[in-house]
Amino acid sequence: SQQGEEDPQALSIQEGENATMNCSYKTSINNLQWYRQNSGRGLVHLILIRSNEREKHSGRLRVTLDTSKKSSSLLITASRAADTASYFCATMETGANNLFFGTGTRLTVIP
Amino acid sequence: GAGVSQSPRYKVAKRGQDVALRCDPISGHVSLFWYQQALGQGPEFLTYFQNEAQLDKSGLPSDRFFAERPEGSVSTLKIQRTQQEDSAVYLCASSPIAMSNQPQHFGDGTRLSIL
Repeated sequence: SQQGEEDPQALSIQEGENATMNCSYKTSINNLQWYRQNSGRGLVHLILIRSNEREKHSGRLRVTLDTSKKSSSLLITASRAADTASYFCATMETGANNLFFGTGTRLTVIP
Repeated sequence: GAGVSQSPRYKVAKRGQDVALRCDPISGHVSLFWYQQALGQGPEFLTYFQNEAQLDKSGLPSDRFFAERPEGSVSTLKIQRTQQEDSAVYLCASSPIAMSNQPQHFGDGTRLSIL
């Protein structure tokens, strides 16, 4: 079963705008990861945030983690048409090695 | 360098047939995972190998599903007596060491369609 829920399910923005996606999960985690998936392709790892971290940046990406609320957010700044994809959060539970994925957010960036 | 390679990319089989899906992980990667992704959903965990040892198969949906990694590199996911609900994309992922704070590297998957 899916570990988490993502919100919104779909998001459509203009190029240059920022995109924010949210993820909620249910159990105690070791880390939370965000992945991107283009249509018909595998998942590409974007960023990993550990349970003792609150915020992490990578290029145009900013991820926050609130373990008290069991939630995370992914912000993509200055979006580009090439950012169009589905974005998934995935949690790694304490003591586990596999990932539990959310339901995904489908992002469309309009040129 | 070479990423995770999966073959075939597409597989069509008739209900009741057996299928075998192959995964070539990144060379030297210790951990290997199989996931099943239904249309419009996130991937769901099937099984995990550390080298040749299958340490977790809790996600395999039935005893028709079997996975192996005999030499600790290439892995095969076999589905016997396929059913229509087995139609999905099967994703393989690998990571370099057996530690939890590691990203996973995914292949492009095998899209399985059962007629």
